[in-house]
Order: sequence, then structure tokens, then C-alpha cells
Amino acid sequence: LAKTTQPISMDSYEGQEVNITCSHNNIATNDYITWYQQFPSQGPRFIIQGYKTKVTNEVASLFIPADRKSSTLSLPRVSLSDTAVYYCLVGDGRGGATNKLIFGTGTLLAVQP
Amino acid sequence: NAGVTQTPKFQVLKTGQSMTLQCAQDMNHNSMYWYRQDPGMGLRLIYYSASEGTTDKGEVPNGYNVSRLNKREFSLRLESAAPSQTSVYFCASSEGLGRSSTDTQYFGPGTRLTVL
Repeated sequence: LAKTTQPISMDSYEGQEVNITCSHNNIATNDYITWYQQFPSQGPRFIIQGYKTKVTNEVASLFIPADRKSSTLSLPRVSLSDTAVYYCLVGDGRGGATNKLIFGTGTLLAVQP
Repeated sequence: NAGVTQTPKFQVLKTGQSMTLQCAQDMNHNSMYWYRQDPGMGLRLIYYSASEGTTDKGEVPNGYNVSRLNKREFSLRLESAAPSQTSVYFCASSEGLGRSSTDTQYFGPGTRLTVL
């Protein structure tokens, strides 16, 4: 079954680009990779989602290699308000009606001035 | 449109006591979820419900029961609380049937539970 691995924490400074990688072996062939952001004392919220190659929205970019065994969330020019925990979410590899969703352990991004 | 609401926000229980966490959504979503969040463990799924009247176990269901009362409400019950159940509990909902990560989940603000 799929298992996700993320770095526990990362440090950055305002204005830098930050890349957070999630490893997810055995992802189901038809499953997407989704990333969530969580601020302290709040529930997670959706950031971005993709299946392969590159996806970009107003908040972030998501890079997925051809083998889909990992994905990289890219945050351009971070600010202090981007300090949060970032989670990747994938299916557990079984697919179909028995597929279950697995959140990564999360990466705490600390942005400093 | 309040999204996903949870009650209570905080709760302290003694070992062996019981309680029910309430969750409601006003987005007409089909699926609802209960997660627990512990330091270093990320979000772990306790139970989820793909539709009214149906529930399925997640990764850590032991010690919990759930009830999908109607399409809007999904409750989580601890029959005999244990210190190991001290955690932050999140409820979420999604439009689809909850089997795929393409189904965006919307989370409530959480309930912080302490069991002494």
C-alpha cells in the first residue's frame, strides 16, 4: 500500500522560493496528488492538485515526474503568512471502491523575515 | 454559508467518560470524514461516510463509533475515553464519494480533546 514521506520541517526567508517534496510509492494509477495547507488552530485547506507534469495556480505550482512516485510543491516568493504545515494526500494504491486516502505526516514551513 | 462546523471547540474528559463530537456541513456534500491529528503523526482517518446511512473504517477506528444522522451531520462518539485519545479531531466533507484524492475536502476548525 502507498506510504507518503515528507520532510518534517523547512526554514526559509521572505521572498525565496520554497520546494517541498512528498514521496509516495505505489500510488494508484488513476489517483491524483493533492496538497493541503494548515495554519495553527485551523483545519487544512486545499492548495493544489495534479496528476502528472506541472500544474500552476495563483498560489503554487506542483511538479510531478513521469513515474509519479513523488511530487514537489513549489511556493514562489514566500512571505511570513506562508508559515504553515503542508500535507500531501494520495490514495493508498488499491484504487477503485476500496481506495483509501493517506495524508503525509506534514512539513512545517517556517518563513523568517 | 458556514461550511463545516464542529462542536465543542474544547473538551476535557476523565478516563472512562463518554462524549459525542458533533459535525455539520451546509454544502450539500455526500462524503464526510473524521480525522485525528497528533504531533508527528499528521492526519489519520478514523471513519468516513460516503453517503447517509453508510460508514467505513479508516486507519485508526478502534475506540470510536460514528453515526451519519443525515446528509448534513456526522457525529463521532467515544464510549469510554482513554488518555491515548487525547488529540485534535477534525471533521471534513467532500462533494464526491471520498475514494479519490481528486475529491477536495473541506475541514472544520477542529475539537481539542484532552483525556485525563
